[in-house]
Amino acid sequence: GDSVTQMEGPVTLSEEAFLTINCTYTATGYPSLFWYVQYPGEGLQLLLKATKADDKGSNKGFEATYRKETTSFHLEKGSVQVSDSAVYFCALTSVGTGFQKLVFGTGTRLLVSP
Amino acid sequence: EAGVTQFPSHSVIEKGQTVTLRCDPISGHDNLYWYRRVMGKEIKFLLHFVKESKQDESGMPNNRFLAERTGGTYSTLKVQPAELEDSGVYFCASSPQLGVNTEAFFGQGTRLTVV
Repeated sequence: GDSVTQMEGPVTLSEEAFLTINCTYTATGYPSLFWYVQYPGEGLQLLLKATKADDKGSNKGFEATYRKETTSFHLEKGSVQVSDSAVYFCALTSVGTGFQKLVFGTGTRLLVSP
Repeated sequence: EAGVTQFPSHSVIEKGQTVTLRCDPISGHDNLYWYRRVMGKEIKFLLHFVKESKQDESGMPNNRFLAERTGGTYSTLKVQPAELEDSGVYFCASSPQLGVNTEAFFGQGTRLTVV
C-alpha cells in the first residue's frame, strides 16, 4: 500500500539556519504530494503541494520539488525563523484511493531558537 | 468564511465510558474525513463521507467506533466503550471536490485522553 517516510525529529536549528526535512514515498501511479504544518495549539494547515513530477511547491519561503526518480519530496527553507517552529507532515494522495484520502508520514517537529 | 470546527478541543474520560466528538465542516463541502494521530505516530485515515453516505470506512479500528453524518452537514464520531489505546488527537477535514488538486481543510483536532 501507499506509504510516506519522513525523517525523525526533533530538528533543532538556530534562527536563519537552512532547513531540510526529508520525505520519501511509495505509491500507486503518480501521487499528489503535500506538506502540512501544525503550529502549536492550531490545526493542520496545507503548506504546499505538487501534483506532477518536477513540479515545485512553494509557500512562506518553503519549497519542495516532486522527484519521481527518487520518489522524494523534501522540504527546504533557506532561513528559518522562530515562528517556523511547528510539526511538519509529509503526505500524499494517489490514484489507488481515487485521491480520496491522505496518507501521512509520522511528522517532524522543528524547533527554532533565537 | 468559517473553517472546519471541532468540539470539544479536549476530552478526558475513563476507560469504559462513551465519548462523542463533533465536526462541523466548511459549508458546502460534500466530503468529510476523520483522521487520528496516536502518540506521535503518523496521522491515519479513519473514514470518508460524501454528503451523508460513508464512502470509505476502511480505517475504522473496530466496532467501538461509530461515525454519522445525518443530513450531510455535521458529523459525529462516537467511541463506546473507550479503551486506553483510543487516546490520541482526532482530526476532521472537509473538501469541496475530489481529484488530483483537491485540498483538504482540517480542523484543530480533538485531543482524547482515556485514563
